[in-house]
Amino acid sequence: RKEVEQDPGPFNVPEGATVAFNCTYSNSASQSFFWYRQDCRKEPKLLMSVYSSGNEDGRFTAQLNRASQYISLLIRDSKLSDSATYLCVVRLYSGYSTLTFGKGTMLLVSP
Amino acid sequence: GAGVSQSPSNKVTEKGKDVELRCDPISGHTALYWYRQSLGQGLEFLIYFQGNSAPDKSGLPSDRFSAERTGGSVSTLTIQRTQQEDSAVYLCASSSGRGEKNIQYFGAGTRLSVL
Repeated sequence: RKEVEQDPGPFNVPEGATVAFNCTYSNSASQSFFWYRQDCRKEPKLLMSVYSSGNEDGRFTAQLNRASQYISLLIRDSKLSDSATYLCVVRLYSGYSTLTFGKGTMLLVSP
Repeated sequence: GAGVSQSPSNKVTEKGKDVELRCDPISGHTALYWYRQSLGQGLEFLIYFQGNSAPDKSGLPSDRFSAERTGGSVSTLTIQRTQQEDSAVYLCASSSGRGEKNIQYFGAGTRLSVL
């Protein structure tokens, strides 16, 4: 089983739509969780950290379910500029340990 | 600098040649990471530095790959006797090494093509 699994997509949605991505992780000892965004031929950039109680940043909402080892990202009112690949990222320990990346879910928002 | 800087941005080399990739982390960041992203694949961890030491080299795919970091700042990833399967984007990230979330910030990467 892969350490971090995501549906690769692509998810094709019209502007204004709501879209949700899911991610599962295999190591129950994982402690920190993130969503990164990667535009085509660009480096990954942090979109948001994911907190146990769930958190929201504007149109973006992230949820964590530790019991099910499941992370989600909800994007409301999609914009053309949201088109990118969204990477689910897990870290085993807080502090210095490395990140484990999913392969990403591609989102295409059309006019 | 303001962000993580990597050079060159693109490198084309012939099979069997050695290449050096450079990463200049965000000023003051003690932790530095190298990743590799092949076409259609996720990011693959290569090596991690804390200061000048590398406590985790577990991701280096073969002994042709090595990395060093001097002065707690710039790092160089060296690939000897390059092979076509080494073609990928090599990404460097740095972090402050502090705080619960210890966010990693990425450079724009070096796109390596081995002919």
